[in-house]
Amino acid sequence: GAGVSQSPSNKVTEKGKDVELRCDPISGHTALYWYRQRLGQGLEFLIYFQGNSAPDKSGLPSDRFSAERTGESVSTLTIQRTQQEDSAVYLCASSPLAEQYFGPGTRLTVT
Amino acid sequence: AQSVTQLGSHVSVSEGALVLLRCNYSSSVPPYLFWYVQYPNQGLQLLLKYTSAATLVKGINGFEAEFKKSETSFHLTKPSAHMSDAAEYFCAVTPSGYSTLTFGKGTMLLVSP
Repeated sequence: GAGVSQSPSNKVTEKGKDVELRCDPISGHTALYWYRQRLGQGLEFLIYFQGNSAPDKSGLPSDRFSAERTGESVSTLTIQRTQQEDSAVYLCASSPLAEQYFGPGTRLTVT
Repeated sequence: AQSVTQLGSHVSVSEGALVLLRCNYSSSVPPYLFWYVQYPNQGLQLLLKYTSAATLVKGINGFEAEFKKSETSFHLTKPSAHMSDAAEYFCAVTPSGYSTLTFGKGTMLLVSP
């Protein structure tokens, strides 16, 4: 079956511009997560959606970062006024219970 | 709170040799533990998981891991390395089914002919 998909796969943007990253989870997965992976580093949790509950935003690094999810479907991660330190791979994962299934990621480069 | 420590940012083995990637965790409650593999320019793929059933867990591609509560460890092993095993491996812990994963910093496995 279809896995988690993310778009775009690559995004190059100028410093100060806003970007929007999209995640399509596996159908039926109630939980959805966003992570950031900087070059050569591990995964940094950003935000977690579970069903209709209020999202866990505890990992968002600043108020320039926000995310939305429509029901149990698509999620978008928005970064406003991008900075060079935002350059990273942004990974989305969805989960039916404990294990998480990851998308291929969006590589964001801020110039 | 949970944490994961992966000893060794890089591990080098020869093809055919034993692979051992170390993971130690801390958790205030019985944990769920996972190993993920990440090939270059790809997302993470689940290798195996421990969710309080059998302590020896078998995963894909010939990998297995053993949960040792007394040592708070969940080391990943494979009897014989293949060139195709070269990738980055992440250990992760969560306290329950509905919770975020805490990842280790990853171990890059290098396999030489």
